[in-house]
Amino acid sequence: DTEVTQTPKHLVMGMTNKKSLKCEQHMGHRAMYWYKQKAKKPPELMFVYSYEKLSINESVPSRFSPECPNSSLLNLHLHALQPEDSALYLCASSQPIQGARGYTFGSGTRLTVV
Amino acid sequence: QQPVQSPQAVILREGEDAVINCSSSKALYSVHWYRQKHGEAPVFLMILLKGGEQKGHDKISASFNEKKQQSSLYLTASQLSYSGTYFCGTEPGLGRLYFGRGTQLTVWP
Repeated sequence: DTEVTQTPKHLVMGMTNKKSLKCEQHMGHRAMYWYKQKAKKPPELMFVYSYEKLSINESVPSRFSPECPNSSLLNLHLHALQPEDSALYLCASSQPIQGARGYTFGSGTRLTVV
Repeated sequence: QQPVQSPQAVILREGEDAVINCSSSKALYSVHWYRQKHGEAPVFLMILLKGGEQKGHDKISASFNEKKQQSSLYLTASQLSYSGTYFCGTEPGLGRLYFGRGTQLTVWP
């Protein structure tokens, strides 16, 4: 299995809703990432988990809450989002060791906040 | 943290060559290259870890000048399937990958 699976593929939520994005990989990767990508822009790093521990938070607002229940799963909990948070949210995984291959990205969740 | 990537866009005919450049003001642990087609996930092409390292993947190759913190991606004899947005990613430290603004490559028959 060489894939990163993200669900749901599309999500529309109101500003008062609570929702979660899910990401799963079975490649044995021990680093997992959340990126945010706006149209015609590069992916922007949000969070990094290494060996199931949060190692990097790129000053992301607290309305985004990541969680790593085990080495295969990564969640992103969303609460009280703003319309400007509408974007493609990408999950990625890799091996956190020198000389490793690059990141494997999931196909993303396209989020619309109304 | 974001590397500087150029050019912003390239238009080619099939069989032509292209070079995409990437530079950083910070010392780098590695340089990655990805291609993203419209509506799809970024796909890993190659990673360069050492200064002067060059790698190849079919007719796509890359180099990394560690002293200058620069990398270049070379696409030779381009094919229609090469169309997409190319991103370089730089790692100032392990686990922190930041992407350049991207180069939109269009290959026409």
